Amino acid sequence: SQQGEEDPQALSIQEGENATMNCSYKTSINNLQWYRQNSGRGLVHLILIRSNEREKHSGRLRVTLDTSKKSSSLLITASRAADTASYFCATDALSNAGKSTFGDGTTLTVKP
Amino acid sequence: DAGITQSPRHKVTETGTPVTLRCHQTENHRYMYWYRQDPGHGLRLIHYSYGVKDTDKGEVSDGYSVSRSKTEDFLLTLESATSSQTSVYFCAISESGYTEAFFGQGTRLTVV
Repeated sequence: SQQGEEDPQALSIQEGENATMNCSYKTSINNLQWYRQNSGRGLVHLILIRSNEREKHSGRLRVTLDTSKKSSSLLITASRAADTASYFCATDALSNAGKSTFGDGTTLTVKP
Repeated sequence: DAGITQSPRHKVTETGTPVTLRCHQTENHRYMYWYRQDPGHGLRLIHYSYGVKDTDKGEVSDGYSVSRSKTEDFLLTLESATSSQTSVYFCAISESGYTEAFFGQGTRLTVV
């Protein structure tokens, strides 16, 4: 069964707007990671947040983690057409150390 | 890009034949993973390795076997290919299992 579930499944916005994607998971984790996948390509790592961290930033990306709610969010600010991709969260559960479990992803479309 | 290469990139095979996919890394990372990705879904872990000759099953391991005789190579074998194994297969590497993973470009396998 999937540990992480992203919401929404699909998101369409205009260039310049912010995009927010959410990830919920079921069991306690060591860390949570976000990845991007462009159509037909492999996944690219965006950011890792550890269970004792609440927020991390990387360029236009902001990730939050709420372990009490077992949820995370990825915010992309000032989106660009090049941000069009699928975004996945991956959780590293305490009970399955070293084995990341991926959700089904959010497909983001940024219209020029 | 991380030094990770998958071969072949595309393969069409007949039902019942054995198939081997190869993942080669030049990063000397300890952990290596095989995932499959089906349309509209995230990645599901097939098998992973945490060292030479050390492997473990993932969530969808039935019908697959793996071997790792050298740090740099991780082989995935479909013992007797079935149509349900038509998918895109991704290899990933990770330094410690708790850090970011780097993905290969994927192998598109079609079983007819």
